[in-house]
Amino acid sequence: GAVVSQHPSRVICKSGTSVKIECRSLDFQATTMFWYRQFPKQSLMLMATSNEGSKATYEQGVEKDKFLINHASLTLSTLTVTSAHPEDSSFYICSALQGARVNQPQHFGDGTRLSIL
Amino acid sequence: GQQLNQSPQSMFIQEGEDVSMNCTSSSIFNTWLWYKQEPGEGPVLLIALYKAGELTSNGRLTAQFGITRKDSFLNISASIPSDVGIYFCAGLNTDKLIFGTGTRLQVFP
Repeated sequence: GAVVSQHPSRVICKSGTSVKIECRSLDFQATTMFWYRQFPKQSLMLMATSNEGSKATYEQGVEKDKFLINHASLTLSTLTVTSAHPEDSSFYICSALQGARVNQPQHFGDGTRLSIL
Repeated sequence: GQQLNQSPQSMFIQEGEDVSMNCTSSSIFNTWLWYKQEPGEGPVLLIALYKAGELTSNGRLTAQFGITRKDSFLNISASIPSDVGIYFCAGLNTDKLIFGTGTRLQVFP
């Protein structure tokens, strides 16, 4: 089945550091990838939609200058949390859409737990 | 952001029991999905429903897409300890997934 790989799985860093998280589709091309954030004991909240070759679309309330998204190839999207602070600590999960079909399930990565000290 | 209402919030059951959980929305969705998430991992797709009224099974799991397209339920029969986790429903229109609030399932041997 379709596999999405996310790296790193865990990051612990000091406040003010910028952190890059990678999301790769391993055996399929993904023109669209999604980034979610999940706080403890809560559901997944969509942050942004990453489109290959064009700018990402951010959900309301998500700062695009804070969460930089780059989708430079059909198999890789990156999320950079710039100048991270403790309130940015969360579980970040990406997903990828296989092909260009609509209303198809997304395949999720295993998430990145970000802890800012 | 928008979320779907999922109930119950948590369940503590004995191994062998059947489980039922449901998800409701004020909006119509074209596709309903059910995911399971274990600690420290991403959600894994269990069942996808594409048509109103559709009833689909995956092993011991059965899910239905409500006729109104605003709700769905998931049943797990004869639960086993490895069914432990958080179950999320999700509604899908074109590409955007809206997740439910989750049902935390604990199974005791």
